[in-house]
Amino acid sequence: DAGVTQSPTHLIKTRGQQVTLRCSPKSGHDTVSWYQQALGQGPQFIFQYYEEEERQRGNFPDRFSGHQFPNYSSELNVNALLLGDSALYLCASTIRDPKTGEQFFGPGTRLTVL
Amino acid sequence: AQKITQTQPGMFVQEKEAVTLDCTYDTSDPSYGLFWYKQPSSGEMIFLIYQGSYDQQNATEGRYSLNFQKARKSANLVISASQLGDSAMYFCAMREPFSGGYNKLIFGAGTRLAVHP
Repeated sequence: DAGVTQSPTHLIKTRGQQVTLRCSPKSGHDTVSWYQQALGQGPQFIFQYYEEEERQRGNFPDRFSGHQFPNYSSELNVNALLLGDSALYLCASTIRDPKTGEQFFGPGTRLTVL
Repeated sequence: AQKITQTQPGMFVQEKEAVTLDCTYDTSDPSYGLFWYKQPSSGEMIFLIYQGSYDQQNATEGRYSLNFQKARKSANLVISASQLGDSAMYFCAMREPFSGGYNKLIFGAGTRLAVHP
């Protein structure tokens, strides 16, 4: 049973560029959340997708956008990259209305903006 | 607003000893969930243990137990018989009130645990 997968593992971009990160949820999961984890900090919630729609959003600018596909996989897009966008981006999947609300995390994509 | 506080930036423990990692939370909602995750240097967040606000007993998962003191709003993680592989960052997280089936996790700043042989 495959867990949450993310691609790419590492990415280096320059300021002003755009980036797309990808996530495939754990089998049977229909809800995907994205988190940003800056170095030395805890993860911060970006947004959550269910049924191909953004359902919740954290305190992130519109430069951060996402998409969920019919197969429940998801993309995170960041436009006009800033140095401060350098972070580990974590994808988490869950089932809507689960008993615990537990979210299974992927290995993350480490983004470096130069 | 919901908040998680982890006051120990770093902790050291001798192999085979027990260690407690502190976590306090703040919420005005009676329904919430508390989680502990382990994050090795590889970056992946590994689920350890969960405690629901209405659970009567403290959660346990193998060597992990959660000391849940609701009145004090604390949810400390106890790791018994520490192993070298336990060296990692540990995050306490809270699930926001379960509204509409959509929920997000709020994380603390984390505690770095080092297990010494």
